[in-house]
Amino acid sequence: DAGITQSPRHKVTETGTPVTLRCHQTENHRYMYWYRQDPGHGLRLIHYSYGVKDTDKGEVSDGYSVSRSKTEDFLLTLESATSSQTSVYFCAISGAGPAQFFGPGTRLTVL
Amino acid sequence: DQQVKQNSPSLSVQEGRISILNCDYTNSMFDYFLWYKKYPAEGPTFLISISSIKDKNEDGRFTVFLNKSAKHLSLHIVPSQPGDSAVYFCAARTHGSSNTGKLIFGQGTTLQVKP
Repeated sequence: DAGITQSPRHKVTETGTPVTLRCHQTENHRYMYWYRQDPGHGLRLIHYSYGVKDTDKGEVSDGYSVSRSKTEDFLLTLESATSSQTSVYFCAISGAGPAQFFGPGTRLTVL
Repeated sequence: DQQVKQNSPSLSVQEGRISILNCDYTNSMFDYFLWYKKYPAEGPTFLISISSIKDKNEDGRFTVFLNKSAKHLSLHIVPSQPGDSAVYFCAARTHGSSNTGKLIFGQGTTLQVKP
C-alpha cells in the first residue's frame, strides 16, 4: 500500500466554521489530489498539486482552498463549511505512471 | 456533462462465473483508462489500467477491454469470488496544469458475488 494517511478520519462540525483536512505521504510523489465522493457522483476532483506551492483547481473547487508547503503534506481547507460539503474526502498521490493511489478517507459531516 | 458513465448501478453474479462491468466515455483525448475497487470505509484501490493505444490488458483474473470506436471499456473478472464484492469505479485520464494527470471517474457499479 502507498504510504498515505489522512487526518482526521471523522469530523463533525457546524455550518460556518473553518475546517482543515490533512493528507500526508511518505512516498515522495510529486502529484497530490483531493477528491470528494458523493452518492451518484463517483469521485470528483476538488484541487490538485503538481509540486510544492504549485496547485490548481479541479471540477468542484468552489468553497475549498489548498496549500502545499512541503512535498509530503497537502492541506484542504473549507473556509466556512456548509451542509453541501458533507461528504467523504479522499486524498490521492501519483508518481510517473497513470495510476493514483488513495488514502483511507475522511468522513465530514456539517450540521 | 458527465464524460465517464457507468450506467449499471449494480450487478449480481454467482461465485465462479464471469463478472462484466461496463463504462462509456465521451472524450477522445483520454490517454489512459483505469479501474478501481472500493470496499466500505476504505479508499479506492487501483486494479488495472489500459493505454488508449491498446485494446486489451490482462492481470490475473482481471481483464480490461477497450473499444475506441464505441468509446466503451469493460472489466472482466473470471472467476468471480465473494471477496470481489465491492464498488467498482472506472476512470479516464486527462491532463491539467504542468501536464498533471487528472482522473475523471464514473459513478460506480456495486458488484455482489453470491456464494
